[in-house]
Amino acid sequence: KAGVTQTPRYLIKTRGQQVTLSCSPISGHRSVSWYQQTPGQGLQFLFEYFSETQRNKGNFPGRFSGRQFSNSRSEMNVSTLELGDSALYLCASLTLLAGVTGELFFGEGSRLTVL
Amino acid sequence: DQQVKQNSPSLSVQEGRISILNCDYTNSMFDYFLWYKKYPAEGPTFLISISSIKDKNEDGRFTVFLNKSAKHLSLHIVPSQPGDSAVYFCAASGTGNQFYFGTGTSLTVIP
Repeated sequence: KAGVTQTPRYLIKTRGQQVTLSCSPISGHRSVSWYQQTPGQGLQFLFEYFSETQRNKGNFPGRFSGRQFSNSRSEMNVSTLELGDSALYLCASLTLLAGVTGELFFGEGSRLTVL
Repeated sequence: DQQVKQNSPSLSVQEGRISILNCDYTNSMFDYFLWYKKYPAEGPTFLISISSIKDKNEDGRFTVFLNKSAKHLSLHIVPSQPGDSAVYFCAASGTGNQFYFGTGTSLTVIP
């Protein structure tokens, strides 16, 4: 089956602009999480959505937001971009079996560069 | 607050030898641990996992060891191959399906 699909793969923005990233999870996966990867910081958790509801949120400012649609596709938005927002943004989907957690399946990421 | 730590940013190993990647965590509520492998320009891919009820899980050349009392886990790769060269992330989760990742260890396997 198809994996996690993220679009766009690469984008360049300038400070003060906003950006929207899209993620289509693996079919049947209802949990979608977003992570930010920067050099030296590893993967920092942004938020997780399940059935259109945000269940968990990481320690990021309110400029970072997201949503999930009824077909489990998710978007994340970053407003008023700062230079430090330059990063690889990864989306991951997860399927739960009888409530037991499993492994995350990641997309290839969206590389955002803020100039 | 980094709840999962990988203190070695990089590791070099000769082909055929053992690679040992280490990971420490601080939250005793974590009960599921995973290792991911990441190549440049790709998303992380799942490698192996272990539940807190076990202390060892093996899958081919990859073995993960968990020491709960020390809050430490390690990934052993035997024998190491050049294709194993990548960044390895350990991750932990507890309730709520929130995963915490370490900062990664870049492994280089020298032919």
